[in-house]
Amino acid sequence: AQSVTQLGSHVSVSEGALVLLRCNYSSSVPPYLFWYVQYPNQGLQLLLKYTTGATLVKGINGFEAEFKKSETSFHLTKPSAHMSDAAEYFCAVTSYSSASKIIFGSGTRLSIRP
Amino acid sequence: DTAVSQTPKYLVTQMGNDKSIKCEQNLGHDTMYWYKQDSKKFLKIMFSYNNKELIINETVPNRFSPKSPDKAHLNLHINSLELGDSAVYFCASSQEQYEQYFGPGTRLTVT
Repeated sequence: AQSVTQLGSHVSVSEGALVLLRCNYSSSVPPYLFWYVQYPNQGLQLLLKYTTGATLVKGINGFEAEFKKSETSFHLTKPSAHMSDAAEYFCAVTSYSSASKIIFGSGTRLSIRP
Repeated sequence: DTAVSQTPKYLVTQMGNDKSIKCEQNLGHDTMYWYKQDSKKFLKIMFSYNNKELIINETVPNRFSPKSPDKAHLNLHINSLELGDSAVYFCASSQEQYEQYFGPGTRLTVT
């Protein structure tokens, strides 16, 4: 079975500050990991994904995440927060053998202070 | 040109009614999904179809019935609506075990 835990339901940072959203996963097989963003009243949009290969993955809007197998983590970062980054962020896990089922974390709401 | 579309965007109805939500994707994906997002933003998978065949059927009341007339469409019919069914319902599609593309959601309010 797979699971994902997002630490912190709400994160608040100042505009221009580093954004760090934490995600830890559990998987008995090699995981595929994703970060999605949900803006208010919209559907989820893929930010970035890790399947195989390079462990540091870059996504849209300046976000990146690093797959650390030893720590079972896939934290999302952005060097400098922008007001438009305010949204709900979801970490998710699946695998090749999971028959298309993706497990989502409970989400982290990111607020940006002016 | 919208990749995954849902209709309606908003649905307000009374308890006991039957309603349907429609979903269409033009991405050529083989797999489609229905998710329920509650008021705390928790996202729960309900169903998944692969090329018109049901492959994921989570613990969902029998009042919910998905129907896939072809691989580009996945509709959700809900019988005897209850207050607890109020939520945002998202349709999504994917190709194999890769990223899912989500529709804009249908906000269902049961009064």
